[in-house]
Amino acid sequence: GEDVEQSLFLSVREGDSSVINCTYTDSSSTYLYWYKQEPGAGLQLLTYIFSNMDMKQDQRLTVLLNKKDKHLSLRIADTQTGDSAIYFCAESRGGGATNKLIFGTGTLLAVQP
Amino acid sequence: GAVVSQHPSRVICKSGTSVKIECRSLDFQATTMFWYRQFPKKSLMLMATSNEGSKATYEQGVEKDKFLINHASLTLSTLTVTSAHPEDSSFYICSAPGRNTEAFFGQGTRLTVV
Repeated sequence: GEDVEQSLFLSVREGDSSVINCTYTDSSSTYLYWYKQEPGAGLQLLTYIFSNMDMKQDQRLTVLLNKKDKHLSLRIADTQTGDSAIYFCAESRGGGATNKLIFGTGTLLAVQP
Repeated sequence: GAVVSQHPSRVICKSGTSVKIECRSLDFQATTMFWYRQFPKKSLMLMATSNEGSKATYEQGVEKDKFLINHASLTLSTLTVTSAHPEDSSFYICSAPGRNTEAFFGQGTRLTVV
């Protein structure tokens, strides 16, 4: 998991935008994912991006991919208190959709009311 | 959508005993499943790839005799933590690849060894 780096903590006010950053290492990764984990719970897939894309938008979520710099970001617009959780980026290894995922270190997002 | 069911969600066991965790794909077949371990406030670490009908593939540093994996059918993989010790206490989570790009995760198992 340490091959994929994330900042540990982010605090924002409700209604603001949140940007969570991720740096990965395997340039051959075909898919990159963002997962959300609430306390004591499993993982919820938020969104993913294919490596030949630069951007993907899905409602309040925007994923930006800079393949040259191996940098991935997740922007959450109009952040709500229910968005408070740990966010993991993950890269797929093994090619295609084999889904052997290498996870980032996780970013704890705290949303202040 | 596809569902992966993991059982039990929580287990407390005594040191020296073995614990079995089940991971089931409920409405799809999974020839491959993945087992992850998550330490407190840490990321998920891939432990092994479970292959239906053949031996599991373990990641470097994971003891195969300690963490026994059996993938006896297309919908069930089990992870047995043998002779558990307190340092094995952790959150274990399985996943199965979907048809396209998504990996479906189980709910996770919180193991506490006392």
